[in-house]
Amino acid sequence: DVKVTQSSRYLVKRTGEKVFLECVQDMDHENMFWYRQDPGLGLRLIYFSYDVKMKEKGDIPEGYSVSREKKERFSLILESASTNQTSMYLCASSSPLGQYYEQYFGPGTRLTVT
Amino acid sequence: AQKVTQAQTEISVVEKEDVTLDCVYETRDTTYYLFWYKQPPSGELVFLIRRNSFDEQNEISGRYSWNFQKSTSSFNFTITASQVVDSAVYFCALSQGGSEKLVFGKGTKLTVNP
Repeated sequence: DVKVTQSSRYLVKRTGEKVFLECVQDMDHENMFWYRQDPGLGLRLIYFSYDVKMKEKGDIPEGYSVSREKKERFSLILESASTNQTSMYLCASSSPLGQYYEQYFGPGTRLTVT
Repeated sequence: AQKVTQAQTEISVVEKEDVTLDCVYETRDTTYYLFWYKQPPSGELVFLIRRNSFDEQNEISGRYSWNFQKSTSSFNFTITASQVVDSAVYFCALSQGGSEKLVFGKGTKLTVNP
């Protein structure tokens, strides 16, 4: 089974802190994604990566950056956390080979910025 | 532009009732894929089904069934004889052929009461 893990289930940070959210997948997937989920807004794509060191902006990239130095790991970085970044963050991975872009999700990180 | 609409924000039923979750999509592409995901209270999105645009056959899996109608751009999901464990947020999603990205609806929260 595909496994996508995220470094923390719950995280509390202060305004202005630099925050790293880590995601690791064990299925050698080329594609990895970061979403945020907010009530009434569903899932919104922040960034995705289709290969090591390759990234593309999603729908709401402002205030975020990403890093993918290894195929299995995709990090989301909040350079200076703000209260409006309090949200649930979901990581996903997929492969273009044979699974029609079905995405596998991690358990999520609920981030609170105070 | 691609869009997925789940008009039902919340649905509440009593156990053993049948319930249908609606999904309407918009796309200009002729090749695309539709998905349903379940998000239980634990938070992790679980893949339920994938359907490609060339396959309009309805599908049944146990108590779950899906009705895909291209003529109305709908991909509805029915749970027969609902159970408390079906309580979750359900997301419909759309991808274009050749695209790694998914567009999600805002989700329908289903509560099944005993």
